[in-house]
Order: sequence, then structure tokens, then C-alpha cells
Amino acid sequence: GMPVEQNPPALSLYEGADSGLRCNFSTTMKSVQWFQQNHRGRLITLFYLAQGTKENGRLKSTFNSKERYSTLHIKDAQLEDSGTYFCAAEAGANAYKVIFGKGTHLHVLP
Amino acid sequence: DMKVTQMPRYLIKRMGENVLLECGQDMSHETMYWYRQDPGLGLQLIYISYDVDSNSEGDIPKGYRVSRKKREHFSLILDSAKTNQTSVYFCASSQGDEQYFGPGTRLTVL
Repeated sequence: GMPVEQNPPALSLYEGADSGLRCNFSTTMKSVQWFQQNHRGRLITLFYLAQGTKENGRLKSTFNSKERYSTLHIKDAQLEDSGTYFCAAEAGANAYKVIFGKGTHLHVLP
Repeated sequence: DMKVTQMPRYLIKRMGENVLLECGQDMSHETMYWYRQDPGLGLQLIYISYDVDSNSEGDIPKGYRVSRKKREHFSLILDSAKTNQTSVYFCASSQGDEQYFGPGTRLTVL
């Protein structure tokens, strides 16, 4: 299967709702990053995790290397949260190798 | 204001022509990246640069080369552009975990 599988491919939420996105990995990864790409195509780094959980405002991300997954939770969704969310996992013991998921298209509805 | 810039923003070239994409950052970051993004996909790493004249191939380096003669500039060169190199190209820089992305260059090769 794909080294990085991202689910769901698309998601619609009403403002104020909570939701979670997930990435599953086919092998053990060293770290994971989560990015948001807005409707203008701009990319923003949300989180970098080598392990554990990080929170930033309404966003929280967890990375479990042993269980081979990472999650991104969005609390109290706002219209500006709409966009595409990518996870990217770092593999490779020596050379830097990063593998992106195909993204989750999030649409927050008023 | 921390910024990554890319020039040009849009470019149309014919097959076989040379292409030069420029990236600049004002944060004195050591590490810089070139990615491409194709429809429905996440980013794919083309090259990574750890500092001046310290460049490594990413996942899809074939058909590309890079140049980093100053820490703040990282160039991507296509010596003989091919139609399958039509894509959106993103440059990023990092010092530590967080990557800062440029606005992207949309390249069309006819």
C-alpha cells in the first residue's frame, strides 16, 4: 500500500464542529509534519512532531511512531480552516526522505 | 517579517528550453527545499540544501539541478524542460522543525 495514507480524502463540517484527520503509515517513520494549504495555494506548517502530542490553539496533533499513525484534531471549526491538510512523514535512516499524503480537503460550512 | 519569496510566480516555456526558478529567504535559514505539487497530490521533494554548496537529492531529482551560492538564495534549474515538468513548484526554508514556504511558481511547459 501507500507509504502514507491520509483519511478522509474530503470532509465537510459546520462552523463550531470538531473533527479529526488521520494519517496511517506503512512503516515506522521518524517524524511527521502537518501542513495547511489555503484556497490561494499558500502552505503553512502547522505541526512538527517526533513523538507525542502538540497543541496550538484549536489544533492538536498526535504522532505514534510505534502504532504508525498521526492525527490532527480541529476544535470549533472556523470558515478560515477550510483548505487542504497534508501530513508528511520523514522516513530514511540516513538521507532525508519525506513522503506526503494526498491530503484531506476540508470545507467548513457557515 | 519572515519571508520566503519565489520568482517568477508564473512561467510558460517550450519543451527543450532552459528554466530558472529563484527562491530567496530573509531568515538566514540553513536548510532550503524545492518541491513540486501536481493536481490531487501532496508535495514531492526534488532537492534539499543544508547550506551553501551542500545540496542533496530528494525523491524526484531527475531532470532538475540546483544551485546554492549564498545562504539566502536557492535556485532550481531545468536544463531542457519537458512537458511532464509542468507543475507548481514550492520553495521552503527551515531552521529546526518548522518549514516556511514561498508562494509557489506555476510552470507550464508546452
